[in-house]
Amino acid sequence: DAKTTQPNSMESNEEEPVHLPCNHSTISGTDYIHWYRQLPSQGPEYVIHGLTSNVNNRMASLAIAEDRKSSTLILHRATLRDAAVYYCILRGPPGGSSNTGKLIFGQGTTLQVKP
Amino acid sequence: KAGVTQTPRYLIKTRGQQVTLSCSPISGHRSVSWYQQTPGQGLQFLFEYFSETQRNKGNFPGRFSGRQFSNSRSEMNVSTLELGDSALYLCASTWTGTNTEAFFGQGTRLTVV
Repeated sequence: DAKTTQPNSMESNEEEPVHLPCNHSTISGTDYIHWYRQLPSQGPEYVIHGLTSNVNNRMASLAIAEDRKSSTLILHRATLRDAAVYYCILRGPPGGSSNTGKLIFGQGTTLQVKP
Repeated sequence: KAGVTQTPRYLIKTRGQQVTLSCSPISGHRSVSWYQQTPGQGLQFLFEYFSETQRNKGNFPGRFSGRQFSNSRSEMNVSTLELGDSALYLCASTWTGTNTEAFFGQGTRLTVV
């Protein structure tokens, strides 16, 4: 399984943008980049995923480097509710033989949001 | 649509006992995965069941086992409990079609004394 590397922790001020980096230098050509987050006392929740192009949804944006060896999760205006551990995970393509429910979590980045 | 339901939410057991945890996936989801979360090791994959068959297995001893029923509900069992088995056990369900998003339950907090 390809490995991801994230900073252990980051801080942000409320209502400011947050850029959470992830390095995945051994990513394969068919691996998707997924982000999950885990709020205190809850199970992880899906945030966003992408393959090559930048992606946006109601929660966040995902910026993927041209060589795909790194990506950045962008929270446009952090709120106190965004304080969580953010995980960057690589997964095989939908429908492929490697597309199973298995998720390999690293240590993630603990995001602290200050009022 | 109901989310992933795990029961019980909290459990206290004694060393040497066994325990069974239950997970009801989102309706229509056929894959259920189990994870163990501890402060020291983080989130670790235990195993995945799809259509009543174990499809993937993590690096855990044989004391950890699971099964899936025809309605996709899953159970995991831990026998001969050890203090180190104290953890939050999470399950996640996935449709395993073109939708790759995994939905997690709130977990079962197991304490072994």
